[in-house]
Amino acid sequence: DVKVTQSSRYLVKRTGEKVFLECVQDMDHENMFWYRQDPGLGLRLIYFSYDVKMKEKGDIPEGYSVSREKKERFSLILESASTNQTSMYLCASSLGYKAGELFFGEGSRLTVL
Amino acid sequence: KNEVEQSPQNLTAQEGEFITINCSYSVGISALHWLQQHPGGGIVSLFMLSSGKKKHGRLIATINIQEKHSSLHITASHPRDSAVYTCAALGGSNYKLTFGKGTLLTVNP
Repeated sequence: DVKVTQSSRYLVKRTGEKVFLECVQDMDHENMFWYRQDPGLGLRLIYFSYDVKMKEKGDIPEGYSVSREKKERFSLILESASTNQTSMYLCASSLGYKAGELFFGEGSRLTVL
Repeated sequence: KNEVEQSPQNLTAQEGEFITINCSYSVGISALHWLQQHPGGGIVSLFMLSSGKKKHGRLIATINIQEKHSSLHITASHPRDSAVYTCAALGGSNYKLTFGKGTLLTVNP
């Protein structure tokens, strides 16, 4: 079974802190995605990566950056956390030239105080 | 206006009923995903389809590319089917998925 693992299920951070959210997948997938999920807004794409060291902005990249140094790991970085970044963050991966079947992690609920 | 529209937003059914959730999109796509999320749970991919119909157990997904429309059907619904169901359209030329706002399904015993 494909497994997508997110490093933290729950985090509480203070405004201005740097936050790292880690995601690891174990099925050699090319594509990895970071989404945030907010009530009433559904899933919104922050960044995605289709290969090592490759990244593209999604719909809401402002305030975020990403890193993909190894194929299995895709990190989301909040350089200076703000309260409006309080959300559920979901990582996903898929195989193939275009996004195939998606596999999601369990999510990381971030609260910024 | 969202390029992917789902209906209904909320759906309450009695156990055993046949359920249909609709998804319409306004742009050309190469594939469409149906996702399920139980309350407090993770997101699970139910189907990815680009034409025709797929079936898994009591779940059936259909897509009509010409009409830009997909449906998710649940036969003999059960309270454990209560979840948010979301469709997501994959654009023809990129990796980006456009998500619907989701349908909250509640199946009462």
